[in-house]
Amino acid sequence: ELKVEQNPLFLSMQEGKNYTIYCNYSTTSDRLYWYRQDPGKSLESLFVLLSNGAVKQEGRLMASLDTKARLSTLHITAAVHDLSATYFCAVGGFNKFYFGSGTKLNVKP
Amino acid sequence: DADVTQTPRNRITKTGKRIMLECSQTKGHDRMYWYRQDPGLGLRLIYYSFDVKDINKGEISDGYSVSRQAQAKFSLSLESAIPNQTALYFCATRDGSGANVLTFGAGSRLTVL
Repeated sequence: ELKVEQNPLFLSMQEGKNYTIYCNYSTTSDRLYWYRQDPGKSLESLFVLLSNGAVKQEGRLMASLDTKARLSTLHITAAVHDLSATYFCAVGGFNKFYFGSGTKLNVKP
Repeated sequence: DADVTQTPRNRITKTGKRIMLECSQTKGHDRMYWYRQDPGLGLRLIYYSFDVKDINKGEISDGYSVSRQAQAKFSLSLESAIPNQTALYFCATRDGSGANVLTFGAGSRLTVL
């Protein structure tokens, strides 16, 4: 069974700072997804990474995928309070999706 | 209206009761999923379905059953609820082509006393 590990699980940071969330997975996959969940809300898709070396950017968030290292990163640039949420990575297996435990991000003013 | 609708949104019940969580979608997707979310554990797959005649167990199907009544409807049942089934439950859909992104419902919070 595919395992997905995220770290850190909790991240408290000041506005304006940069940080990276890491997502490691245990077996080969060429599809990696990032979702955002606001407190009490559902999950919304942020990025889909479909190949080795893929990089996607939206605003202050940038995601990348290294399939050889089985690693994806979500980089936050100059964080703002509105980015406070829980971020999940998920790996697409054969018609299944395996989720990490999530990284709860708190951006302090 | 939401693409994926879950009912009820919140439910409190007692141990031993039968509970059904319902999910309907307007996306026209074939594939539907039920996930359970617990703090610190991410989302775990309970059941998934590719069409009305295709139902598959996920990681944690024990104690749960499902019914795919139509392409648009996928229900999750707890035949005899127990307290450790207290969790947030999500229904999701995805299409069978392209990037295969999941579209989630708003969630159903279940508390078993």
